[in-house]
Amino acid sequence: DVKVTQSSRYLVKRTGEKVFLECVQDMDHENMFWYRQDPGLGLRLIYFSYDVKMKEKGDIPEGYSVSREKKERFSLILESASTNQTSMYLCASSLGRGSSSGANVLTFGAGSRLTVL
Amino acid sequence: AQSVTQPDIHITVSEGASLELRCNYSYGATPYLFWYVQSPGQGLQLLLKYFSGDTLVQGIKGFEAEFKRSQSSFNLRKPSVHWSDAAEYFCAVGAVPGGSYIPTFGRGTSLIVHP
Repeated sequence: DVKVTQSSRYLVKRTGEKVFLECVQDMDHENMFWYRQDPGLGLRLIYFSYDVKMKEKGDIPEGYSVSREKKERFSLILESASTNQTSMYLCASSLGRGSSSGANVLTFGAGSRLTVL
Repeated sequence: AQSVTQPDIHITVSEGASLELRCNYSYGATPYLFWYVQSPGQGLQLLLKYFSGDTLVQGIKGFEAEFKRSQSSFNLRKPSVHWSDAAEYFCAVGAVPGGSYIPTFGRGTSLIVHP
C-alpha cells in the first residue's frame, strides 16, 4: 500500500527552537505539499514542491521554510518556533503534471501535531 | 481563482439516517472535484473524485456525490449513516490542464453521529 509517512505524530517544542518536520513518500510522486490545519480554517497550503530542489510558496509561507534534497523526502522547517505555530501539519504528495488527473489526487500522511510552549 | 464553500460547519445525524453534505465551488471551467474524509487524529483519505463523464460518482464506504454544473455543486450523500462515519469531511476543487494542479480545499464539515 502506498504511503506518506510523517516522522513525528506529536511534538512539543519551546518558543525560539528550530523545528524539523519530516515527510517521506514511497510512491515516486513528483509533487509534495505541506499544509497547516486549524479548527475552522480548514487546510492552508504552506509550501509545495514539483521536483527535487524546487519549492514554491503557498498561501501562508511566513515563518516556514522547506527542503527537498531527494524526490521522496520533503521537510518543513520552523526556524524559530512561535506559539502561533501550534497546529496540525499535514504532508501530502501527488503525481507530476504529466498526469493532470493524478496530479490533483493527494495522498496524505497521518499528520504531525506540534505544540509550541 | 478557484474556491470552495462548505456552508455547514457541523452536521448532526442519527445513526441509520440519510446524509447530505453540501459543497459549492467557483471555477471558470469544468473542474476536478473531490471529497476527502479525516478521521480523528488522522490525515485525509480520498472518498471519491469526479473528473468527467457520469455526474453521479460512487466512492468508498458507501458514499456518492453528484456534480451539478448548473448549481456549481458537488454534494456528498450516504443513504444510511454508521457511527464510524463520524469525521471531518473536506470538499476540494482541482485544476484541469494548464492550471496549478494544486487542489483548493473547503473549510470542512464536521459530522456528528448520534446513536
